[in-house]
Amino acid sequence: AQSVTQLGSHVSVSEGALVLLRCNYSSSVPPYLFWYVQYPNQGLQLLLKYTTGATLVKGINGFEAEFKKSETSFHLTKPSAHMSDAAEYFCAVSVYGNTGKLIFGQGTTLQVKP
Amino acid sequence: DVKVTQSSRYLVKRTGEKVFLECVQDMDHENMFWYRQDPGLGLRLIYFSYDVKMKEKGDIPEGYSVSREKKERFSLILESASTNQTSMYLCASRLPGQANYGYTFGSGTRLTVV
Repeated sequence: AQSVTQLGSHVSVSEGALVLLRCNYSSSVPPYLFWYVQYPNQGLQLLLKYTTGATLVKGINGFEAEFKKSETSFHLTKPSAHMSDAAEYFCAVSVYGNTGKLIFGQGTTLQVKP
Repeated sequence: DVKVTQSSRYLVKRTGEKVFLECVQDMDHENMFWYRQDPGLGLRLIYFSYDVKMKEKGDIPEGYSVSREKKERFSLILESASTNQTSMYLCASRLPGQANYGYTFGSGTRLTVV
């Protein structure tokens, strides 16, 4: 069975500072990994995903994440935070197959201070 | 552009009422999902459907049922609404065997049961 743990339910950074949101996963088979973002009162939007190939994945809005199999991690980073990045972020894991459902972490709320 | 539409953004219902949450997708996706989102708990899977008239329980099906009479529509039913079902409900869809694509989400329905 797969599971996801996001370390830190709230993260606060200053505008222009590095953003680091942590995600660790558990999976007995090679996983597919995703980061979604949710702005207030909206649905979830895909930021980026890792399926196979290059372990450093670039997404929208300047975000990127690195798949580290040895650490079972898929942390999300952005070099310089912008006020518009304030949102809730969800890490999720899935596996290959018709029945591969997305399993979500608990979410991390990112606050960006001016 | 791919779309998942949830019929209501906000809904207020009374305890004991039967409540229908509707979700429609225009992508010809076989797989559809209902999640509920609560602070600190992330997204939890209620029910999913692999195809028309097929459904399977997710992690928290108690108090809910679903209907999938047509491929494009997946309805979530609260048989007798209770205050602990106050939550944000998110619908999603996906092509089968496309676990590496992630889901497309609707904008969510925020349900308040009073």
